[in-house]
Amino acid sequence: DTEVTQTPKHLVMGMTNKKSLKCEQHMGHRAMYWYKQKAKKPPELMFVYSYEKLSINESVPSRFSPECPNSSLLNLHLHALQPEDSALYLCASSPRQATNEKLFFGSGTQLSVL
Amino acid sequence: EDQVTQSPEALRLQEGESSSLNCSYTVSGLRGLFWYRQDPGKGPEFLFTLYSAGEEKEKERLKATLTKKESFLHITAPKPEDSATYLCAVDAGGTSYGKLTFGQGTILTVHP
Repeated sequence: DTEVTQTPKHLVMGMTNKKSLKCEQHMGHRAMYWYKQKAKKPPELMFVYSYEKLSINESVPSRFSPECPNSSLLNLHLHALQPEDSALYLCASSPRQATNEKLFFGSGTQLSVL
Repeated sequence: EDQVTQSPEALRLQEGESSSLNCSYTVSGLRGLFWYRQDPGKGPEFLFTLYSAGEEKEKERLKATLTKKESFLHITAPKPEDSATYLCAVDAGGTSYGKLTFGQGTILTVHP
C-alpha cells in the first residue's frame, strides 16, 4: 500500500463550525505533514510531525489544531475558520523527517468556509 | 530567504513538440531539488530528486537536469496525458529538515 488517504474529499463549513480532516498511511512512514494550497498557488507547509511529535509549526493560527494519535494517522481539527481559509488541504508522509526525503501526498480535502 | 522561480507560468504544446521548463533557485545551501507533477484536484506526485550540479535523471518522456542556479525539466515528444502543473521545490536544509520551498509551478497543456 503506497497511498496516503484523506477524508473527506470535500468539506463545506460555516465560520462557527468545528470539523476535522483525517489522513491515513500504512507505509510505515514516521513523518507526516499538513500543507495548505490556494488555487493556482504552490503548497505551503503548515505542520510537520516526526515520530508522532510536533516538529514544525509554521506559525499557523490556533484555529487549526493538528493531532497525531499514532504513526499511521494524522488529524487536523478546524474551529472558527474564516472564508480566507478556503483551500485544498494536503496531507503528506515520508519515511523520516530528513533532508531529501520525497513526500507522498494524498489527494487532499477541498475546504470551503462560508 | 530561499526563493524558487519557475518559468514559464503556462506552456501550450502540440503533441510531439518538445520543450523545457525552468526552475531558478536562490538558497543558502541546497540539499536537494525536487520535481513534482500535480493534476487538477489532486496532490503532487513525486517525479525526481536532484542533489548536485551536473546531475541528470530520466523517466519516460521527462528528463531533469541541475546546475548551480537552476534546473530544467525537458519534455520530449509530449502526449496529452503529460498535461499537468509541474512544481519545483528545494530543500535548503538548515535546522528545518523536510521543509520544502515550492515554486509557483508551470501549467503544461499538450494538445492532440
